[in-house]
Amino acid sequence: QTVVTQEPSFAVSPGGTVTLTCALTSGSVSSSYYPSWYQQTPGQAPRTLIHSTNARSSGVPDRFSGSILGNKAALTITGAQADDESDYYCVLYMGSGPAVFGGGTKLTVL
Amino acid sequence: QVQLVESGGGVVQPGRSLRLSCAASGFSFSSYLMHWVRQAPGKGLEWVAVISRDGGTKYYADSVKGRFTISRDNSKNTLYLQMNSLRAEDTAVFFCARAPPLDKYDSSGYYFDHWGQGTLVTVSS
Repeated sequence: QTVVTQEPSFAVSPGGTVTLTCALTSGSVSSSYYPSWYQQTPGQAPRTLIHSTNARSSGVPDRFSGSILGNKAALTITGAQADDESDYYCVLYMGSGPAVFGGGTKLTVL
Repeated sequence: QVQLVESGGGVVQPGRSLRLSCAASGFSFSSYLMHWVRQAPGKGLEWVAVISRDGGTKYYADSVKGRFTISRDNSKNTLYLQMNSLRAEDTAVFFCARAPPLDKYDSSGYYFDHWGQGTLVTVSS
């Protein structure tokens, strides 16, 4: 069974930079998985940030960027702001079939 | 603009049924794969089901297989989720989400580009 893992939690200072990652329990993540990233604040629907590794969705600030770092997908937030405090989820495309979410990372800005 | 509006949530007893709807507007509904994703209270996002553009291919999470049925009516621009034999652990906010196809053979979509606001399903006696 494919399992996608993310850091359960992370903290960043206002104005700081943080990189969240998305990994497979077996194997490496590459651009062939078209990694996508979603931001969710409590009580709200998810918001699509990044798709296809590094393509920002419409309206997403350029302080959010995606990449492949080693064998993981990564979401980097540069110049973190208070309203970036959210849960972040990644999804890896496995081809036609079930979608697989990572467990999510709770980001605290303090 | 793209809009996805879920409805049909509510409180239901264990073992009973409920049907969710997702009304789509602002885009060519039949050109996109459509998903249901849920979130139990205090938990992460859990994928539930996906349906292909013509409705001919469907995939389900193991946790709902045999109990839930995803369907779509492209003439009404509406996505459905029929939920039978509901359990307490099905309590969640259910979101519908749109997914563009990677290519003409793709029956899942490679990411979620638009989301509805969600509808709450509570299974309780």
